[in-house]
Amino acid sequence: DIQMTQSPSTLSASVGDRVTITCRASQSMSTWLAWHQQKPGKAPKLLIYKASTLESGVPSRFSGSGSGTEFTLTISSLQPDDFATYYCQQYHSYWTFGQGTKVEIK
Amino acid sequence: EVQLVESGGGLVQPGGSLRLSCAASGITFSNYAMSWVRQVPGKGLEWVSAISARNDSTYYADSVKGRFTISRDNSKSMLYLQMSSLRAEDTAVYYCAKTSSGWGGFTDCWGQGTLVTVSS
Repeated sequence: DIQMTQSPSTLSASVGDRVTITCRASQSMSTWLAWHQQKPGKAPKLLIYKASTLESGVPSRFSGSGSGTEFTLTISSLQPDDFATYYCQQYHSYWTFGQGTKVEIK
Repeated sequence: EVQLVESGGGLVQPGGSLRLSCAASGITFSNYAMSWVRQVPGKGLEWVSAISARNDSTYYADSVKGRFTISRDNSKSMLYLQMSSLRAEDTAVYYCAKTSSGWGGFTDCWGQGTLVTVSS
């Protein structure tokens, strides 16, 4: 099974900050990685797939990069609506989620 | 617009059974693999089970293998999860999730979730 490790677990930031979340895979998986955003009490929402492709309707301040075993999600200028928990998901070999990164207000 | 609506959650005693359902609309259901993903309140996402578009492949997380059975009815655009021998650690919100292809692929749409509580 592919294990996914996200860092940090919690991130404190201010509106306007540039934020980067890292996801590391236990084995190489090309670019078969997605990122999801979840707000409290709500279902997750797809942001990015194939490591760097933005889902339709997702603001361009979100971007993804990486391949192989290391991936990043970047929010170029954090907005109030972006305070949430973010999960990476590998789909190279079945499916596994990272443990999540909570972005909270500093 | 794609909609996934789960039902069937509730309170069940340890050792009991429950069947979750997910009604899909806005898509050609038979073209896509479907999954169940769960989340213990306050914790992360755990993928539970998946079924291929053609109903010819299934996969289960080790934590539920032998106790849960996933199935689908393409004629009704319905997904099911039969859960038996339930344990306290199965308590979670269960999400129905659509994948982007007939097998494999990423999760591109989520239902609103249904809460399963296993307790005496």
